[in-house]
Amino acid sequence: AQSVTQLDSQVPVFEEAPVELRCNYSSSVSVYLFWYVQYPNQGLQLLLKYLSGSTLVESINGFEAEFNKSQTSFHLRKPSVHISDTAEYFCAVTEMDSSYKLIFGSGTRLLVRP
Amino acid sequence: DTAVSQTPKYLVTQMGNDKSIKCEQNLGHDTMYWYKQDSKKFLKIMFSYNNKELIINETVPNRFSPKSPDKAHLNLHINSLELGDSAVYFCASSPGPQLNNEQFFGPGTRLTVL
Repeated sequence: AQSVTQLDSQVPVFEEAPVELRCNYSSSVSVYLFWYVQYPNQGLQLLLKYLSGSTLVESINGFEAEFNKSQTSFHLRKPSVHISDTAEYFCAVTEMDSSYKLIFGSGTRLLVRP
Repeated sequence: DTAVSQTPKYLVTQMGNDKSIKCEQNLGHDTMYWYKQDSKKFLKIMFSYNNKELIINETVPNRFSPKSPDKAHLNLHINSLELGDSAVYFCASSPGPQLNNEQFFGPGTRLTVL
């Protein structure tokens, strides 16, 4: 059965510092991988996704994530964060032969300080 | 021009009551979902409908009954509310049930059972 682990519940960083949010998954079949972001008092929004092809995927606001099949990881990175990046970040996975279910990790709160 | 809307935003009620949460999407999507986010931010799928037909029904108590009167609406009715039902409930939609589709989330309904 598939599962998603986000080991860090909270990551505090200073503005303009780099950040990495970790995500590991377990699955015996091929997967699609997603990062969603939840700003305070809002619903989730898709940040980026890996479906196939290049293992490095990027978002329009400077985040990137790399699919590592051997390590079953999909870590999210940004070289320089802004105050406005403060939010909850959720990693999610779906197996290609599952019944349409998206499985979420427990989330990582990114707290950017001035 | 909200894409996925939910009402009410907040719902406070007593144990044993029956309540409903409404969801509407104006994106023309075929598939809609209900998720429950608990106090630890863990997000779990409850139900999914595609073209008004139930396609995902997780192990949710039968006190929870989804209803989809048309493709644009998916309502959630909860009977005999219990303390453990307190959570944030998110509605979402996607163009179809295919696993690589982005899901668009509503702002959430915070349910508090006293």
